Amino acid sequence: DTGVSQDPRHKITKRGQNVTFRCDPISEHNRLYWYRQTLGQGPEFLTYFQNEAQLEKSRLLSDRFSAERPKGSFSTLEIQRTEQGDSAMYLCASSLAESGNTIYFGEGSWLTVV
Amino acid sequence: GENVEQHPSTLSVQEGDSAVIKCTYSDSASNYFPWYKQELGKRPQLIIDIRSNVGEKKDQRIAVTLNKTAKHFSLHITETQPEDSAVYFCAARPVNTNAGKSTFGDGTTLTVKP
Repeated sequence: DTGVSQDPRHKITKRGQNVTFRCDPISEHNRLYWYRQTLGQGPEFLTYFQNEAQLEKSRLLSDRFSAERPKGSFSTLEIQRTEQGDSAMYLCASSLAESGNTIYFGEGSWLTVV
Repeated sequence: GENVEQHPSTLSVQEGDSAVIKCTYSDSASNYFPWYKQELGKRPQLIIDIRSNVGEKKDQRIAVTLNKTAKHFSLHITETQPEDSAVYFCAARPVNTNAGKSTFGDGTTLTVKP
């Protein structure tokens, strides 16, 4: 499968612990996005990168959240001092900036904070 | 910002019947409206999209209609099959906005009963 891949697919952590998710986009895609999705809701935009530059962050992205894309390829999303309200699926997607509109999602990383 | 409302939240139809899902949006500047299908545990996948200069678009058994005056758009699935069962999300993207920053509806869970 040469699509967007995310790791781990599932993570259970205790409140207060840090967690990190990884996203590997489609190889030639220069844009990478992170979303949060909770049950019964659509994906909510968190942040996006063009190459290694983080160009925008949503107000949903509190200071406990940090995302990086150091070499313009894979990206990591770290959540520090997790809270129960952080429990959600974290989706990654990628696209070509020049392609216009089509974004390709990964299968998501489920986070449960207990 | 953009607000997208999607109805119904759940929809159950008999195999072979048609299914219609409706979305309304608030930002009159939105000009791109994709629909995604998300099967249980899988990634959201684009199934059809429409731009504001078109009133209707069809692809085999699925079609999307757009009414810019009323700011609503609809997904129509004809001759439904059990494999159409999934969560469907609509989205709206304002003009000159990054594709990945679309605002999503909360989803419709479609169940097609054999």
